[in-house]
Order: sequence, then structure tokens, then C-alpha cells
Amino acid sequence: ETAVFQTPNYHVTQVGNEVSFNCKQTLGHDTMYWYKQDSKKLLKIMFSYNNKQLIVNETVPRRFSPQSSDKAHLNLRIKSVEPEDSAVYLCASSWDINERLFFGHGTKLSVL
Amino acid sequence: GQQVQQSPSSLVLQEGENAELQCNFSSTATQLQWFYQSPGGSLVSLLSNPSGTKHTGRLTSTTVTKERRSSLHISSSQTTDSGTYLCAIDRGTGYQNFYFGKGTSLTVIP
Repeated sequence: ETAVFQTPNYHVTQVGNEVSFNCKQTLGHDTMYWYKQDSKKLLKIMFSYNNKQLIVNETVPRRFSPQSSDKAHLNLRIKSVEPEDSAVYLCASSWDINERLFFGHGTKLSVL
Repeated sequence: GQQVQQSPSSLVLQEGENAELQCNFSSTATQLQWFYQSPGGSLVSLLSNPSGTKHTGRLTSTTVTKERRSSLHISSSQTTDSGTYLCAIDRGTGYQNFYFGKGTSLTVIP
């Protein structure tokens, strides 16, 4: 049963546009994450957000930024998309850092 | 280099057979999780096992931290087990990064 909800499921846009993806979890977890899954299915952490503390993967370009209104929501904004941003973006949550991760179904981004 | 290596890359079994999946990692891992990704793409955490042996249902995971390896044993496989099994580690660098392997694609035929 899904308890981490992502919208939209798919998004097609052009280079230079701004996009925003939403994520909400109903598990009461304290930590949320954004992962990027590339075409080779490799998942890489982008951000983790715990008790209002943001931990950033230093390899993530600055055009990406997380936005959180409360511990149940963590959105992802991309200021000016690039072709290499085409991927599936997965949101996840857990009780605490390093606990079992629960993932959403993902948002597939295609940049033309 | 690659943090997490999984083998085999793909596996085909007859329903009822057992599966043994391997995960080797190149760095010290403070956390290790096994995941299942369905053919439709949704990712599910199966279990967290940084060391020792853990069981859940038909799954058994054994992690030998000193040897930097973990295995996932699936007993009495079912067609619904088909999908990709991913191993992920956290190196404990403070960034809470989970490094995922490329996965083992399992196909269980009736």
C-alpha cells in the first residue's frame, strides 16, 4: 500500500524551464529524501531532510532545491532544466536517518 | 569506483526454486538495505541488515560486515517475486547517502 505520494507521474518540458515535483508521506516519518534514478537504474541521493535539517549531496547542481512546509512534505524544484536532468525522481521517507526507506512511485522527467 | 556491486546481474528460475543474490561493497557500510523494484517501477524496502542474519517471510539476508558482503536468499520462489532486487549501503560519511547497486533482475517462470 502506497503511503508516499508523488505528483506528477510524468512531466515533459523543454531546456531552461522551471519544474516542481511534489511529495507527501502519510507515515508520520521524520525524514524525507529525494533520489535520482538514471537510465541505467542507478539511484543516487540528492537531498535528505530531517527535523528541518537539510543534508545535501554535494554533487547535486545548484539548480535543484528542496522545499518543505512540514515534515510530511518535501518538494523538489529545478530552476532551469538541462537535458541530463531527464530521469526518474524518487521521493522516500523513513522514521530516522538510516532506517528502512519507503518510496513513492516516482516522477519521470523528460527534458527535450 | 563503483560502491556497490551485485551479482548475478540477471537470474531466471523455475517457480519453487530458491534464489541467492549477492552484494559486495567497497567501503565500510554503517547501513545496508535490500530493496525490491517491481517491473512497474515502484521501489519497496525489504529489510535493513547492516550485520548478521535477518529473516522476513521467505527472505533471509546475511551480512558479513568485515568481508563487505551481503546475500539475499529467496526460498520457494513465486512468479510474483519477479523484478529487480537492489542492495544499498550507507557509508556513514555524515551525508546519509545510500549508494545503490545496479541490481539483480529476477525472472520466475511458472
